[in-house]
Amino acid sequence: GAGVSQSPSNKVTEKGKDVELRCDPISGHTALYWYRQRLGQGLEFLIYFQGNSAPDKSGLPSDRFSAERTGESVSTLTIQRTQQEDSAVYLCASSLGNTVAGELFFGEGSRLTVL
Amino acid sequence: QKEVEQDPGPLSVPEGAIVSLNCTYSNSAFQYFMWYRQYSRKGPELLMYTYSSGNKEDGRFTAQVDKSSKYISLFIRDSQPSDSATYLCAMCSGGSNYKLTFGKGTLLTVNP
Repeated sequence: GAGVSQSPSNKVTEKGKDVELRCDPISGHTALYWYRQRLGQGLEFLIYFQGNSAPDKSGLPSDRFSAERTGESVSTLTIQRTQQEDSAVYLCASSLGNTVAGELFFGEGSRLTVL
Repeated sequence: QKEVEQDPGPLSVPEGAIVSLNCTYSNSAFQYFMWYRQYSRKGPELLMYTYSSGNKEDGRFTAQVDKSSKYISLFIRDSQPSDSATYLCAMCSGGSNYKLTFGKGTLLTVNP
């Protein structure tokens, strides 16, 4: 597809379960980002991947959160032992590696609800 | 104090009005300033990007940055119902230009 693709679009889970969210970036984009958007809050940076460099994980809120990226393609965000405060829209974005700052292309997000 | 403050609104205006959206920030290291538009249940899309202080115009949209006051604005002229969306300001420093700090967003409704 032409844009950033995320799945699932909606996920309802029970507290304590693990969830995996997937992001397929725009072809040719070497940079990939995960952000979280909680209700009434601004987007929060979670993690950044750029090519083969070590990812910047400084935004991950706890060790229950992890993310991987296979080469310059698909990324998976995993949340273990989900808590109710993890309920949010998880947005993935991609960009060219040498892009002007902020020229991110976002997917439509994965809406996570933890009961 | 949050790094970026943005009035969440909601803001409701008649079609054709001039809209002013604003953000203030506290981190003097911020050098890049962006405005994103987000329609309901969609991802944000970049509207305007500005480096350092000054104005930038793109059609009906004008972005202004005043670094001395740590204040940025987005003006929409001749607003249209299709402009109804949430507008997010975002900014970053030169050293970490991939790590955006966002405002909470302002919900705008333009009434026909």
